[in-house]
Amino acid sequence: EAGVAQSPRYKIIEKRQSVAFWCNPISGHATLYWYQQILGQGPKLLIQFQNNGVVDDSQLPKDRFSAERLKGVDSTLKIQPAKLEDSAVYLCASSLVGEFTDTQYFGPGTRLTVL
Amino acid sequence: AQSVTQLDSHVSVSEGTPVLLRCNYSSSYSPSLFWYVQHPNKGLQLLLKYTSAATLVKGINGFEAEFKKSETSFHLTKPSAHMSDAAEYFCVVRVNTGGFKTIFGAGTRLFVKA
Repeated sequence: EAGVAQSPRYKIIEKRQSVAFWCNPISGHATLYWYQQILGQGPKLLIQFQNNGVVDDSQLPKDRFSAERLKGVDSTLKIQPAKLEDSAVYLCASSLVGEFTDTQYFGPGTRLTVL
Repeated sequence: AQSVTQLDSHVSVSEGTPVLLRCNYSSSYSPSLFWYVQHPNKGLQLLLKYTSAATLVKGINGFEAEFKKSETSFHLTKPSAHMSDAAEYFCVVRVNTGGFKTIFGAGTRLFVKA
């Protein structure tokens, strides 16, 4: 079974530039999550999709971050414009149905450096 | 509000000795609890989870954890550490508050000495 795919693996940009990350979840998984992991901290949930609808985006900085999952499969997370404090690893995860007992399966992450 | 506290940022053990990584949680709702491991430059991998069934949960690679509601704890243990266990470990709480909340602890870095 293929795992969660993410691209790119690494990205370096200058502040005020835009960047986008892509995630393809495990086939058949209805729920998709985006996390931000700042160095030395645990991951923080940014947004959770159930199929193509948003379930929770309470910690997403909506003035600069956006995410979509148009066809209920793959997803894109965008930052526009980026700030220095956005430097982090962005993790995508998926789970089968989205229940709080579900196991989340994580991708390898995208490491973003903002200069 | 929900929270997770991993009581040690770093733990160092010798190979072949027991491992104890401590996790306490706070929640007004019945939680599901998870332990994930993160090896350098690799994705997070599930070790084990508690979802209101047996309170002693066995996971992969010889790890286990016990849910103690009275102590609001979910400590991770392993009888004998192996060099390959050196990694970052995260305790996670998930609750249904009408919506689903997921909270990661800050992580515990496990060092294993030869």
